[in-house]
Amino acid sequence: SQTIHQWPATLVQPVGSPLSLECTVEGTSNPNLYWYRQAAGRGLQLLFYSVGIGQISSEVPQNLSASRPQDRQFILSSKKLLLSDSGFYLCAWSMAPNQPQHFGDGTRLSIL
Amino acid sequence: AQTVTQSQPEMSVQEAETVTLSCTYDTSESDYYLFWYKQPPSRQMILVIRQEAYKQQNATENRFSVNFQKAAKSFSLKISDSQLGDAAMYFCAYRSTTSGTYKYIFGTGTRLKVLA
Repeated sequence: SQTIHQWPATLVQPVGSPLSLECTVEGTSNPNLYWYRQAAGRGLQLLFYSVGIGQISSEVPQNLSASRPQDRQFILSSKKLLLSDSGFYLCAWSMAPNQPQHFGDGTRLSIL
Repeated sequence: AQTVTQSQPEMSVQEAETVTLSCTYDTSESDYYLFWYKQPPSRQMILVIRQEAYKQQNATENRFSVNFQKAAKSFSLKISDSQLGDAAMYFCAYRSTTSGTYKYIFGTGTRLKVLA
């Protein structure tokens, strides 16, 4: 069966520090991968998605970037975090259109 | 571009009662998929139910069922015999079947409170 792992679960970082959140999927090949951000009590904002190694589509221009160095690995990064980067970050994967997205447990990011 | 609208920011239901959460969407496509997700306080996103647009029959999963009205572009979720564990944010989502399309379009969510 397929599983998705996302870490860390919580992270507290100072303004201006770098960021690296990692997501890996097991049990499937060539999944579509997604990064979402969710502000407190709000909906999901799609940040990036990837349909293959090295293929990244950005939905929202900001100081975040994403990379997919391996088929089942998706990384969200920033060189310098802003206060506005605080939120709950969710990684997800999917395959065919008739299949739902499967989400990781999320990372709660607090910027001080 | 497709859009998904959940017009009820918050709903309340008495335990054991039935509640219906609304979702409307806008699309020019004829074939697509619709999903309802539940996000409890733990914040994990859990699939509740899905519906294929080409199927006229409404999907059901135990106490959860949908009322899919394709012409009206409406996809409401009915929760029967509500339980305290049903308290969560509920998101409606749309997925195109168009080749080369990979995004899921989410609504803004409805917070469901279950009263004991």
